[in-house]
Amino acid sequence: DQQVKQNSPSLSVQEGRISILNCDYTNSMFDYFLWYKKYPAEGPTFLISISSIKDKNEDGRFTVFLNKSAKHLSLHIVPSQPGDSAVYFCAASGSSASKIIFGSGTRLSIRP
Amino acid sequence: NAGVMQNPRHLVRRRGQEARLRCSPMKGHSHVYWYRQLPEEGLKFMVYLQKENIIDESGMPKERFSAEFPKEGPSILRIQQVVRGDSAAYFCASSPAAGARQPQHFGDGTRLSIL
Repeated sequence: DQQVKQNSPSLSVQEGRISILNCDYTNSMFDYFLWYKKYPAEGPTFLISISSIKDKNEDGRFTVFLNKSAKHLSLHIVPSQPGDSAVYFCAASGSSASKIIFGSGTRLSIRP
Repeated sequence: NAGVMQNPRHLVRRRGQEARLRCSPMKGHSHVYWYRQLPEEGLKFMVYLQKENIIDESGMPKERFSAEFPKEGPSILRIQQVVRGDSAAYFCASSPAAGARQPQHFGDGTRLSIL
């Protein structure tokens, strides 16, 4: 039962353009959402998060959008840089829980 | 390095042996989480511990797997009588307090290979 879904296993974007990574969830009890970035042979690193009371959160080049009615969130990276090439995991949690439910990840490649 | 430390980074075991994975949380963090990542999949929650207590073990397999976080020393994830399907990357994370709003800091994982 995949409660957090990332339907695009990979994405290729030209350097300088916008990268948009998408994520869908099924559990309406989720009220906190996170994005993690992972390089090969390393652990995930926290990137940005959003609470369900908001529909947008911005941090530098990274913006996360939340559409609660569609149970959909997206991560926008602009402008995309070579160092952004990594696997991005969408994750979610309920307010009473500490555990995080991860999606299967999207591999982002930034081409010159 | 004040981050989450996991060792060993790579562990090879034969079927039927025991695997012990260790995790030292970040300084000041008393909450530890274990996740497992199978090839081409996302991280799956296994267990959440706070010093000497298991808080949530809903993701732990019912048999062969156990976890502890003693008062002194690292957290240990123990897998008894390993099978080929246990081959995966095991990640530990820590946080200073409970709740998902406390960002979890991850170690670089232990890659377990079962021969």
